[in-house]
Amino acid sequence: GEDVEQSLFLSVREGDSSVINCTYTDSSSTYLYWYKQEPGAGLQLLTYIFSNMDMKQDQRLTVLLNKKDKHLSLRIADTQTGDSAIYFCAENNNAGNMLTFGGGTRLMVKP
Amino acid sequence: NAGVTQTPKFQVLKTGQSMTLQCAQDMNHEYMSWYRQDPGMGLRLIHYSVGAGITDQGEVPNGYNVSRSTTEDFPLRLLSAAPSQTSVYFCASSRIFGNQPQHFGDGTRLSIL
Repeated sequence: GEDVEQSLFLSVREGDSSVINCTYTDSSSTYLYWYKQEPGAGLQLLTYIFSNMDMKQDQRLTVLLNKKDKHLSLRIADTQTGDSAIYFCAENNNAGNMLTFGGGTRLMVKP
Repeated sequence: NAGVTQTPKFQVLKTGQSMTLQCAQDMNHEYMSWYRQDPGMGLRLIHYSVGAGITDQGEVPNGYNVSRSTTEDFPLRLLSAAPSQTSVYFCASSRIFGNQPQHFGDGTRLSIL
């Protein structure tokens, strides 16, 4: 079955870049997603990448996809205190009807 | 724009009690789903629906029932609550599945004593 793994915690200083990593197992995934969860709130879709792409950039966010290694990363440039949250990567399954989430990476941004 | 609305926000139950978690969306989305979030485990899919009258099981369906009589509503029922069902429950919807962004509600925090 599908398995998505992330490191639990990342701490950076304000203004630095943050890189959150994710590995997945389902090579047939069509889309891979990054979600952000702030305390007490639901999940907010940040960005997603189609499986035939290597990179996607959206303002401060850069997503890199290495299909050979099944590795996905999210880079946040000029990280701000408002970026402190839990970040989840997710992949859709072969049938396209289910998202499998990683356990989430808690990003702490120090002023 | 209400988006996805979940009620209640908090609930405490005793073991064996039943209850229904409500989820409503006003975006005319066909796809709706329920997830539970447990510490360190991300979100796991309980049940989903691709349209009114159609439901299917996700990864962890045992102990939960759903129905989809209208496009807008997708309630989740706990028939006989167990402590293992203590969790945060999220409802999500999207126009269709696939690359459509999933819109999440703010969650229901459920404790089973």
